[in-house]
Amino acid sequence: GAVVSQHPSRVICKSGTSVKIECRSLDFQATTMFWYRQFPKQSLMLMATSNEGSKATYEQGVEKDKFLINHASLTLSTLTVTSAHPEDSSFYICSASLVQGGNSPLHFGNGTRLTVT
Amino acid sequence: KQEVTQIPAALSVPEGENLVLNCSFTDSAIYNLQWFRQDPGKGLTSLLLIQSSQREQTSGRLNASLDKSSGRSTLYIAASQPGDSATYLCAVRPSYGQNFVFGPGTRLSVLP
Repeated sequence: GAVVSQHPSRVICKSGTSVKIECRSLDFQATTMFWYRQFPKQSLMLMATSNEGSKATYEQGVEKDKFLINHASLTLSTLTVTSAHPEDSSFYICSASLVQGGNSPLHFGNGTRLTVT
Repeated sequence: KQEVTQIPAALSVPEGENLVLNCSFTDSAIYNLQWFRQDPGKGLTSLLLIQSSQREQTSGRLNASLDKSSGRSTLYIAASQPGDSATYLCAVRPSYGQNFVFGPGTRLSVLP
């Protein structure tokens, strides 16, 4: 089955620094990947849609300059949290599907727990 | 705007029981619906995907049904086991090309 790998699984950083999270599709090519944020005991909030070779599409209220997304290849998308602050501490999850918008299931990475001190 | 709800928010059952998790959506015009499982601190694992033209999907002890007209889907888990303890989320894709809309999840605890 389709596998999505996310790295790192946990990261602790100091306030003001930047953190990069990687999302890879291991056995399929994903022209589109999705980045979500999840607060404790809450459901997933879509942050942005990452499109290979073009700019990401951000959801309303998500700061583009704060959460930089790069989708440079068909198997890799990165999310960089710039100038991180404690309120950015959260669980970030990426996902991808074999066919964008079609009938194939959405597959998720294992998430990244970000703690900003 | 499509909204997805799940009831109950939490459920605790003894091992061996059959159980049903509920998912409701406000707009019956959907493209497909997917059920996921999430273990604490982990990502989501896809369980079942139901297309809008289907009534149900089965995988092992899991059976998901879809009733578009009433805006409901159920996930039936047979002979529950402690390993089934997790949060179960349903997600609706409103139309082709649109992103999934997630429900808040049901936190299931199966007691040995």
